[in-house]
Amino acid sequence: SQTIHQWPATLVQPVGSPLSLECTVEGTSNPNLYWYRQAAGRGLQLLFYSVGIGQISSEVPQNLSASRPQDRQFILSSKKLLLSDSGFYLCAWKTLLSGYTFGSGTRLTVV
Amino acid sequence: GQQVMQIPQYQHVQEGEDFTTYCNSSTTLSNIQWYKQRPGGHPVFLIQLVKSGEVKKQKRLTFQFGEAKKNSSLHITATQTTDVGTYFCADVYNTDKLIFGTGTRLQVFP
Repeated sequence: SQTIHQWPATLVQPVGSPLSLECTVEGTSNPNLYWYRQAAGRGLQLLFYSVGIGQISSEVPQNLSASRPQDRQFILSSKKLLLSDSGFYLCAWKTLLSGYTFGSGTRLTVV
Repeated sequence: GQQVMQIPQYQHVQEGEDFTTYCNSSTTLSNIQWYKQRPGGHPVFLIQLVKSGEVKKQKRLTFQFGEAKKNSSLHITATQTTDVGTYFCADVYNTDKLIFGTGTRLQVFP
């Protein structure tokens, strides 16, 4: 079956610390993968998307970066977190027939 | 850039009442997808509308795509407490990216 895994579920990090969030998908090959951020009580903003290994497109300028080292692995990173990086980070995978499938998300609080 | 707005922002209803959320775009929508996000959860895909004027039903949920493809709506008949959550519309642009609407948060009182 096709599944998407995202971890950790929650994270509290101090300002200036690095960040690494990982997302992996199973049961498919060469998926389109996406990172979204949702501020508290707000909509979803597309941060990055990738159509293949090493291919990353950034949608908005920011303090974050993304990488795709393997076909089914998508990583969101930061060298130095800012308070404004707090939010709910969601990895998503575009399926052929059923819209986007989202991971369970990571709630990041930068303190 | 394109903006996808939803109204209302919040809606509180008594269980059994109907609910409708409206999705409006500043530009022509290509395909509309609808998602539901339960409190504390992640968005879950509900349906996709492609054709102008299209209407689709899923049990108590009715989805409609406007004739001019600039708006869409989701109507829930006889709400239940399990309908609680935030409903998002999303436009598919550049064939493989989603721009999400602002969302409508639904609260259902028993």
